[in-house]
Amino acid sequence: DIQMTQSPSSLSASVGDRVTITCQASQDINNYLNWYQQKPGKAPKLLIYDASNLEAGVPSRFSGGGSGTDFTFTISSLQPEDIATYYCQQYHILPITFGQGTRLDIK
Amino acid sequence: QVQLVESGGGVVQPGRSLRLSCAASGFSFSRHAMHWVRQAPGKGLDWVAFISYDGSNNYYADSVKGRFTVSRDNSKKTLYLQMNSLGAEDTAVYYCARDPHSNSWYWFDLWGQGTLVTVSS
Repeated sequence: DIQMTQSPSSLSASVGDRVTITCQASQDINNYLNWYQQKPGKAPKLLIYDASNLEAGVPSRFSGGGSGTDFTFTISSLQPEDIATYYCQQYHILPITFGQGTRLDIK
Repeated sequence: QVQLVESGGGVVQPGRSLRLSCAASGFSFSRHAMHWVRQAPGKGLDWVAFISYDGSNNYYADSVKGRFTVSRDNSKKTLYLQMNSLGAEDTAVYYCARDPHSNSWYWFDLWGQGTLVTVSS
């Protein structure tokens, strides 16, 4: 199985800060990498697909990059409503696997 | 509106069976592959199963292979997950999720609200 490792596991930041989360795959996954946001008690929501493509309706402060084994997810200016846990997910090879999640809160 | 609604969760004894359903509305269900994803309490997301748009192809996580069966009824716009030989490790919120493609796995662009399955004696 492809292991997905996110860092950090948790993060505190201030409103307006630029926030970056990284996701590393245990082998080359090309750009087959997606990012989700999950708020407490809610289902996950797709934010970024194919490493850098913004899902329709998602604010432009969210962005993604990378290819191969190393990926980044960035919030350019943190907003209070961005408090959530963020997950990366690869689909290069079954089984589909997720990172362990990054919990983001407001400082 | 466009939505997925799961049902069928509950408390079940170890070794017993349970069938989950996921009703789709507001989109062409028969054109989309579908997935089940689960989340144990306080834990991360785990992919469980995939089924192609017409049900001809399905794949499972090793942890459920041989115990769980995914199926669909496109005439009823409903996805199913038959879970047999349940164990405590299967306790989780189970989400159905839509894939934007029909015959392969990519990402999950629409999720249900989830249904909680608790395996306990």
